[in-house]
Amino acid sequence: DAGVTQSPTHLIKTRGQQVTLRCSPKSGHDTVSWYQQALGQGPQFIFQYYEEEERQRGNFPDRFSGHQFPNYSSELNVNALLLGDSALYLCASSLATVTSHYGYTFGSGTRLTVV
Amino acid sequence: DQQVKQNSPSLSVQEGRISILNCDYTNSMFDYFLWYKKYPAEGPTFLISISSIKDKNEDGRFTVFLNKSAKHLSLHIVPSQPGDSAVYFCAASGGFGNEKLTFGTGTRLTIIP
Repeated sequence: DAGVTQSPTHLIKTRGQQVTLRCSPKSGHDTVSWYQQALGQGPQFIFQYYEEEERQRGNFPDRFSGHQFPNYSSELNVNALLLGDSALYLCASSLATVTSHYGYTFGSGTRLTVV
Repeated sequence: DQQVKQNSPSLSVQEGRISILNCDYTNSMFDYFLWYKKYPAEGPTFLISISSIKDKNEDGRFTVFLNKSAKHLSLHIVPSQPGDSAVYFCAASGGFGNEKLTFGTGTRLTIIP
């Protein structure tokens, strides 16, 4: 049973560039959430997608945008990259009819370095 | 504004003894509290959760205690095993419809053989 798959695993970008990160949810899951984990910090919620719509959003600027496809996979796009965007980006999937206290399934993340 | 706090960045415990990890929160609207475990190069893995209407939840070696009046929760691991060495994150959510997780900064637990 495949879990959450994220690609790429590592990425180096130059300040000002744009980046797209990808996520395939666990089989049977229909909701995808994205989190940013800076070094030494806990993951911070970016946004959540369900039925191809952004359902909830955290305190991140509009440079962060996303998309969910009909097969439930998702992309996270970040424009005009800043050095401070360097972090581990985690994707988590869940089933909309099951509340979060059963826990999300997280991927291993994409390590983004902005130079 | 850190709504979920883990004030101990690290903890070392001897194998076989009890590990106690602590977490404090400030937002009284949180409905559920969760603990996640994270190994290097892996995503966080769900361990155990507790609803705000309960004060204790057990699952094998893991027990979570919630003290709502103190806005404090703790994770007890008994007995501690070498495989428990990892970073532990406390998280909170608003429940159904408001399910974003608010995480603490994590506690690195090291079990000494």
